[in-house]
Amino acid sequence: QVQLQESGPGLVKPAQTLSLTCTVSGGSVSSGSYYWSWLRQPAGKGLEWIGRIYTSGNSNYNPSLKSRVTISLDTSKNQFSLKLSSVTAEDTAVFYCARQIMYYGSGRGGPFDYWGQGTLVTVSS
Amino acid sequence: DIQMTQSPSSLSASVGERVTITCRASQGISNSLAWYQQKAGKAPKLLLQTATRLQSGVPSRFSGSGSGTDYTLVVSSLQAEDFATYYCQQYYSTPWTFGQGTKVEIK
Repeated sequence: QVQLQESGPGLVKPAQTLSLTCTVSGGSVSSGSYYWSWLRQPAGKGLEWIGRIYTSGNSNYNPSLKSRVTISLDTSKNQFSLKLSSVTAEDTAVFYCARQIMYYGSGRGGPFDYWGQGTLVTVSS
Repeated sequence: DIQMTQSPSSLSASVGERVTITCRASQGISNSLAWYQQKAGKAPKLLLQTATRLQSGVPSRFSGSGSGTDYTLVVSSLQAEDFATYYCQQYYSTPWTFGQGTKVEIK
């Protein structure tokens, strides 16, 4: 059973960098069959995809956040991480890490089949 | 970006009722659509992919249909554990986008 677990500070000051890590168990971030993504959800609102990374290290980001986002992979620890710079109160949200299915052959990304429990990050001074 | 619009935003229903939620994409997405269920304080759970394919372990009372830009999630006989918020998501093109959600409440 694949499990994902987010970790990181729950409070970040404005203008600073938010850093979160997702630890994967029961599966490997080195698997060529999946992408590894970050998403977020402000309180009472919908879901927003932030970006993803593949075992090769290739990453894709939501254009709305691209200038501020970096996602990286640590295969030795079976983890992937998110950095979001220059945060404001509008970045306050529950952040989720998730595994995205990759369709064999085309390499196209599919839905998110496993999710972490989510971690609330508040941006406040 | 592809905009996903769900309707209704919320609904009240009784146990045993049939519930229908619709999702419209701003352009054709070739059945590259997933449905998720999210309960309060929990992560979303994948229910269906490719518009119609039920995930393993998901009850058969959930079904999906649609094509092109218009898709539907049906719960044939609502159970107590189905009261939650439902989201559609397109994975036709990046950035992947979600509908705003449909909250299903107890009548």
